[in-house]
Amino acid sequence: DAGVTQSPTHLIKTRGQQVTLRCSPISGHKSVSWYQQVLGQGPQFIFQYYEKEERGRGNFPDRFSARQFPNYSSELNVNALLLGDSALYLCASSLRTGSTSSYNEQFFGPGTRLTVL
Amino acid sequence: QQQVKQSPQSLIVQKGGIPIINCAYENTAFDYFPWYQQFPGKGPALLIAIRPDVSEKKEGRFTISFNKSAKQFSLHIMDSQPGDSATYFCAASPTYSGAGSYQLTFGKGTKLSVIP
Repeated sequence: DAGVTQSPTHLIKTRGQQVTLRCSPISGHKSVSWYQQVLGQGPQFIFQYYEKEERGRGNFPDRFSARQFPNYSSELNVNALLLGDSALYLCASSLRTGSTSSYNEQFFGPGTRLTVL
Repeated sequence: QQQVKQSPQSLIVQKGGIPIINCAYENTAFDYFPWYQQFPGKGPALLIAIRPDVSEKKEGRFTISFNKSAKQFSLHIMDSQPGDSATYFCAASPTYSGAGSYQLTFGKGTKLSVIP
């Protein structure tokens, strides 16, 4: 089975531009979460979507937005890019149903490396 | 209260050694504690996870020890190999039923180097 896929792999933008990152979850998974990982740090939670509704939002400015589509894929949008937005953006998918042992499990994609110049 | 504190920041062991990575949390709503392994340029891969109803869990060479009263948990890697050289992250999340979110809160990571 295919894992979580993300596109593009790498992206270079300039300050003030807008970017859209895409994620396809594992087949059968209905929940998608987005995380930002700055070099040398652990991932920081941005958004969680389940059944196309936002279920959680981390401490990020309104320049960050996301949505989930009927096929459970997701997009993360970042407007008015800043140098500090340079990071690895990770998408994670989870089942969010079933047995307690698997309920929370989140599986990450390879990420999109965003560089803002 | 949302933090997960991880130590050490880096660790060097000889092949066959048993590196131990420690994490501590404060939020008593956390009830799911996974460990992730990340290689350079890759996304984190889920290694092993534990819930507070057990004190230890083993999967292959990886063992999690959990101390609920101290709010601490640790990862042990038995018979470590050079291929285990990676960055390891502990994380924690609550489990909500219904409409809530169960985002992961990550530690800052431990860079492990296993020397042949």
